[in-house]
Amino acid sequence: DTAVSQTPKYLVTQMGNDKSIKCEQNLGHDTMYWYKQDSKKFLKIMFSYNNKELIINETVPNRFSPKSPDKAHLNLHINSLELGDSAVYFCASSQEWNTGELFFGEGSRLTVL
Amino acid sequence: AQSVTQLGSHVSVSEGALVLLRCNYSSSVPPYLFWYVQYPNQGLQLLLKYTTGATLVKGINGFEAEFKKSETSFHLTKPSAHMSDAAEYFCAVSDQGGGNKLTFGTGTQLKVEL
Repeated sequence: DTAVSQTPKYLVTQMGNDKSIKCEQNLGHDTMYWYKQDSKKFLKIMFSYNNKELIINETVPNRFSPKSPDKAHLNLHINSLELGDSAVYFCASSQEWNTGELFFGEGSRLTVL
Repeated sequence: AQSVTQLGSHVSVSEGALVLLRCNYSSSVPPYLFWYVQYPNQGLQLLLKYTTGATLVKGINGFEAEFKKSETSFHLTKPSAHMSDAAEYFCAVSDQGGGNKLTFGTGTQLKVEL
């Protein structure tokens, strides 16, 4: 029974397309995140939602739009995909806002051709 | 701004040997410090964390780390490596009171050899 699950796990698409990645957590956590891991394994936060409210919005192109329909879900939609968007996108959740204890999903590997 | 430097992108040890993974941080405010582990094709898992109090923290799987403010370091150690320890290890920092906005290092790949 996966705590933080992401779909799809792999995504291969052409430049210019629009794609979405879905994330669900069954831990009852209030806060969810999207992190991007590039080809050099560098991890950087993109967004964070607490109780469906956007609380962290890093310098991310407007082509990226998170949506949180409820506390258990945080989806990531990407418009007009570019080559540089190729990365592994990790969803995470946390029970407390300030403990640093994040529970990560297995990642969604996006390849833009 | 915070930053994390992990010395050595690849570390190789023999099974049973000491594991030492280095992490130095930069923070203008008291930090929270973390080590996460990532096994192949999996998400990151918290190994241990330092927030306040005791500077030597113990985590899962026999790992521990010591917060040294004077050296701005938070090195990860394990007395005896096991084959199952082979993974990518990430050090991370956040502000106390800054929420869960973690800044990660670039990771250290640990290889354990027979």
